[in-house]
Formats: sequence, structure tokens, C-alpha cells
Amino acid sequence: GQNIDQPTEMTATEGAIVQINCTYQTSGFNGLFWYQQHAGEAPTFLSYNVLDGLEEKGRFSSFLSRSKGYSYLLLKELQMKDSASYLCAVPRDDKIIFGKGTRLHILP
Amino acid sequence: GAVVSQHPSRVICKSGTSVKIECRSLDFQATTMFWYRQFPKQSLMLMATSNEGSKATYEQGVEKDKFLINHASLTLSTLTVTSAHPEDSSFYICSASLRDRAEKLFFGSGTQLSVL
Repeated sequence: GQNIDQPTEMTATEGAIVQINCTYQTSGFNGLFWYQQHAGEAPTFLSYNVLDGLEEKGRFSSFLSRSKGYSYLLLKELQMKDSASYLCAVPRDDKIIFGKGTRLHILP
Repeated sequence: GAVVSQHPSRVICKSGTSVKIECRSLDFQATTMFWYRQFPKQSLMLMATSNEGSKATYEQGVEKDKFLINHASLTLSTLTVTSAHPEDSSFYICSASLRDRAEKLFFGSGTQLSVL
């Protein structure tokens, strides 16, 4: 089966750094996604990790450890527009299954 | 990049009526389309997977007779919520995957359904 766990909510300050963790259990690993979703909108793709290590894309970085079943999304230099839900997701068969998402609140 | 168009973006209907939501891949052929439902402050829950020309595969707990999915072509899938009730009010999102990039999803903009 596929269990995906991430914190329900987090709060951080504008300009700061925040790390959103995700742990997963899967019978076969085919990569891990991170998506950003603003309220009332569709998710937007942030990253896809297949190999262990850190991948950096501007202010956002994503880390994966397959042996630990663990990933995190790192957001630097937080901006107010980063207030959103961040969804961790893993492929299963031909589908993508989403975690419950982490709602990130940014304080000025 | 690949574009998925979803219509309508918002619909309000009376209880007992049926609502059709369309999902189109505009510049690519979508081998597979997925339908998700999302309640407020909750994550995306996969409802069904549809492949062109074949019957949809529904997730456990999703009533196939209530949520009719048709995938008549490689660019169009429709979801019909039949005899809608207030508890069906939700955000419905479709997504499509590329034939050679099955691991990457492209999402429609979503449909907010409100059943009175």
C-alpha cells in the first residue's frame, strides 16, 4: 500500500526558511512529487525526485532519501505568495497518490 | 508545456440534477486521464482513472453509477455527476498524463460544484 504522511499545518515568517517533511511507505518506488496548491486552484508541479539527494530550483529545493522513505521540500526567502498547501505525492501503478498536504501560513 | 482545459470552472445546481464536467488536453494526446475530488482543506482524492476507449477504473468507495466517466477520444474525458446531492459539493479536478511521460501530470483548473 501507500501511506504518505506530512504535517497538517506550518507557520513561518516572510523572508525565512521552512522545511516541509514527507514520509512514505510504498511497495515499489517510482519517484516522489511535490506540488503547490493555492486555495481554489489546481496544483502546480514543483519537483520530481527519483534519486537520493537534494535538487535545487531557485528558492525551492527538494530532498529524497529512498532508504529512509523520506523527503522534504525546502523553501527559502519566503514570500507572502508562498502561502499555500504543499502536497507530497507518489506514483502507484499508473496513478499518482497524494498526501493530505501541508498548509503553510506566512506571517509578515 | 502541455495544457489541460477543464470546464465549467464553477457550477451551481439543484439537488437531483446531473452535471457534466469536461476535461480536454489541448496540445497533446492524453493516454490516461484522472479525476480527483477535493473537499475543503483536504487533499486530492483519486476517484477514477480513465483510458481512451475503455471503461474507467474506479477507486474503492466511488460509485461508478453516480460518477459517470467517458473518455471517448485521446483529448477529451467527461465526468457526469448524476442525481447530485449537497454532499457531492466539492472541487473536482481532472489531470492528464503524456504518453511518454506517464509520471508527470498536467492538471485542469478545476470545477467547483455546489449542489443546493
